[in-house]
Amino acid sequence: ETGVTQTPRHLVMGMTNKKSLKCEQHLGHNAMYWYKQSAKKPLELMFVYNFKEQTENNSVPSRFSPECPNSSHLFLHLHTLQPEDSALYLCASSQDLGQSPNTEAFFGQGTRLTVV
Amino acid sequence: QKEVEQNSGPLSVPEGAIASLNCTYSDRGSQSFFWYRQYSGKSPELIMFIYSNGDKEDGRFTAQLNKASQYVSLLIRDSQPSDSATYLCAVNAGNQFYFGTGTSLTVIP
Repeated sequence: ETGVTQTPRHLVMGMTNKKSLKCEQHLGHNAMYWYKQSAKKPLELMFVYNFKEQTENNSVPSRFSPECPNSSHLFLHLHTLQPEDSALYLCASSQDLGQSPNTEAFFGQGTRLTVV
Repeated sequence: QKEVEQNSGPLSVPEGAIASLNCTYSDRGSQSFFWYRQYSGKSPELIMFIYSNGDKEDGRFTAQLNKASQYVSLLIRDSQPSDSATYLCAVNAGNQFYFGTGTSLTVIP
């Protein structure tokens, strides 16, 4: 496989469930990101990891818990979510955080999450 | 608060016309600028990036950057129905990517 792979592609969960989203990148990148995309809103940055270390937590509620065991894998653990958390969750990676001007972000296909 | 502003559209152009997409940003420290295309239900994919003032051309696409005015644009020449998508502007000041809301473009056959 190449690029950025996210699983599952679709997820329906109840408000009391616990689930995890997985992201894997095969690009040798050092930075990984979680974004939330809701209708009519900009991509919302949730978390940033650089060399496995979290560098950004954009005031995300604690019901979202990220985990980055290595530079190639990123997880988003979900528990006691609310219906308004329903959205497309996108994982992305980049070579670095943008220190090089031509650093671009590569996106996975996303997980469409529905909270019922 | 770093902001990236785009007109949400929708923008409609006839096939073969030039589509012009615009973006402004608030952080003067931004150093690189990106245009992504996102088809409905799909993830964003990079069209092109620019980091020097002026124009950068790649096939039917031209990105234009004016750092003094904090303005970046994307021109699509000879628009095709397959160009119908949402176009996201993104900027990076060296620490993360900031995205606009996107402009929805429809190319009418």
